[in-house]
Amino acid sequence: AQSVTQPDIHITVSEGASLELRCNYSYGATPYLFWYVQSPGQGLQLLLKYFSGDTLVQGIKGFEAEFKRSQSSFNLRKPSVHWSDAAEYFCAVGQDSNYQLIWGAGTKLIIKP
Amino acid sequence: SQTIHQWPATLVQPVGSPLSLECTVEGTSNPNLYWYRQAAGRGLQLLFYSVGIGQISSEVPQNLSASRPQDRQFILSSKKLLLSDSGFYLCAWRFGSPYNEQFFGPGTRLTVL
Repeated sequence: AQSVTQPDIHITVSEGASLELRCNYSYGATPYLFWYVQSPGQGLQLLLKYFSGDTLVQGIKGFEAEFKRSQSSFNLRKPSVHWSDAAEYFCAVGQDSNYQLIWGAGTKLIIKP
Repeated sequence: SQTIHQWPATLVQPVGSPLSLECTVEGTSNPNLYWYRQAAGRGLQLLFYSVGIGQISSEVPQNLSASRPQDRQFILSSKKLLLSDSGFYLCAWRFGSPYNEQFFGPGTRLTVL
């Protein structure tokens, strides 16, 4: 069965430090991959998506993600985090023949001043 | 441009009371519609999705139901709320293609006492 794993429940980084959030998926074909961000009490906002082409994808708010087929990964990165990046981040996988997205459990990002 | 609305934003209801949450999408037609729930500190749980008027698929058997009386209206209901129904309810829509992202509403915070 298809699945998405975000191994880190919480991550704490200092403001200005670099960030990498991990996402691994299990899916037989080429997946459609998404990263969303959710601020407390808010809906989810799309950061970026990948479905073909260049495996390094640029998103909003200075985020990028790299699709690595050999590692079944789609990790999210940012070179320098800001306090406003504190939020929960969700990775999701879409499938050709399904209307649903398969969601990871989320990673909560905490920023130290 | 497309907009998704949810109301109410916050709701406090006693156990055993009925529930009706409404979601409306503007600026698009024939969207796929989704209801999700987030329990405190948990990820996204897909409850229902709909690919057209009157077409509802249920992912989790429970005391909730959904209806789609109009193309851009999606309603989540319950006849008798349980304590375990408390959570953050999110509505989302998507163009009907697997590589399109889902767009989320602002959510409804439901507390059942």
